[in-house]
Amino acid sequence: QSALTQPASVSGSPGQSITISCTGTKNDIGSYNLVSWYQHHPGKAPKLMIYEVNTRPSGVSNRFSGSKSGNTASLTISGLQAEDEADYYCCSYADGTTLVYVFGTGTKVTVL
Amino acid sequence: QLQLQESGPGLVKPSETLSLTCTVSGGSISSSSYYGGWIRQPPGKGLEWIGSIYYSGYTYYNPSLKSRVTISVDTSKNQFSLKLSSVTAADTALYYCARQSSIQKGGWFDPWGQGTPVTVSS
Repeated sequence: QSALTQPASVSGSPGQSITISCTGTKNDIGSYNLVSWYQHHPGKAPKLMIYEVNTRPSGVSNRFSGSKSGNTASLTISGLQAEDEADYYCCSYADGTTLVYVFGTGTKVTVL
Repeated sequence: QLQLQESGPGLVKPSETLSLTCTVSGGSISSSSYYGGWIRQPPGKGLEWIGSIYYSGYTYYNPSLKSRVTISVDTSKNQFSLKLSSVTAADTALYYCARQSSIQKGGWFDPWGQGTPVTVSS
């Protein structure tokens, strides 16, 4: 399984909205609504932000939202804040013959 | 609150076996809806799922690592462990353990441990 494709970097000014894409194939994102997103501040443990494409865990700000269209999932951060600056990774269940999970290549979000 | 902590040697020689343990606190590893997962991040690169284990011992692995990986569980100690054999410099990474939900619940990873760095070098 190849890694899901994400843009290397996305930036925005405080208060703006940004969207991070995560492109896979018909064998992963395209076939399953099992996409999750993680926020990773270097030196800290990754944090679950979205699961099952668009569900926010308890405690995660409603400024974070997820969606999916075809083989591409997206994470949108609205009302961008300084603390949102971090690396973001998508993850999807893949294939049906064996249980496999594949992560995205990661996106560095910079708040200008 | 559930917490996970990785432990193990930070330096492993090439061709030897990397061994790490994940200790779970604040809850039981023997939960019917959850797995224990291992994920790694090589320097400057992204995350890579290594494999996962159910408390009953059922495992599933990343096909690219399957021939070298063994994940086991010790419910009496509330721990699960990773062994990666025949390591090379390419296995140098920050290794994380995480609780993983069942596919029926979304297959997500949360919470994660802080991660433990492993360097493969002679």
